Amino acid sequence: QIQLVQSESEVKPPGASVRVSCKTSGFVFTTYGVHWIRQAPGQGLEWMGWISAYTGRTDYARKFQGRVTWSADTPATTVYMDLRSLRSDDTAVYYCARGINTGRWHWFDPWGQGTLVTVSS
Amino acid sequence: DIVLTQSPDSLAVSLGERATINCKSSQSVFHKSNPQAFLAWYQQKAGQPPRVVISWASTRESGVPDRFSGSGSETDFTLTIDSLQAEDVAVYYCQQFFESPTTFGQGTRVEIK
Repeated sequence: QIQLVQSESEVKPPGASVRVSCKTSGFVFTTYGVHWIRQAPGQGLEWMGWISAYTGRTDYARKFQGRVTWSADTPATTVYMDLRSLRSDDTAVYYCARGINTGRWHWFDPWGQGTLVTVSS
Repeated sequence: DIVLTQSPDSLAVSLGERATINCKSSQSVFHKSNPQAFLAWYQQKAGQPPRVVISWASTRESGVPDRFSGSGSETDFTLTIDSLQAEDVAVYYCQQFFESPTTFGQGTRVEIK
């Protein structure tokens, strides 16, 4: 059974950093990429970026460049997202998702359960 | 970036009736050398992560009831739910995976009338 299990909810003050983990199982970790998509309260889906578990290559949506880092622990089949300089508008549910490579880009299946990050003083 | 615009933003359909959701792309997501449309549809129920229901614009994913179907090409796509059931209440999103950055439509909320 393919699963992505994320870490628990976090509450952070403005300016802090947060790490969210995504533990994968049920598939060959190094043959897929893991993407991160966030969803602000009551809002739609926003792609943030991804990491290739095979090459370690990362890619970022423009608005997050310089503020977010992806990393992968291959033996642990786990991917991490580190988001820095948190602002109130970073309050959202953060999802990891396995990317299905189509030769051009990816669609996502399955998704983790989501991690709520609340930025509040 | 490719912009996806869904319509309507919400719709209420009686049980057993048809629900139709549209997704219009700002540019073609159809690749002529690999003649398929690089578009997926997701269902997100309240409090849950999204789940893919349709890939390649019209391929129903494993475990998805056959009342769900997708169609369209180039820039105009449709998700149809025939004979709406109570468990289909959700927000539906389209996504283009034609190029980076991947983008999503704003979502369409489907409710029971």
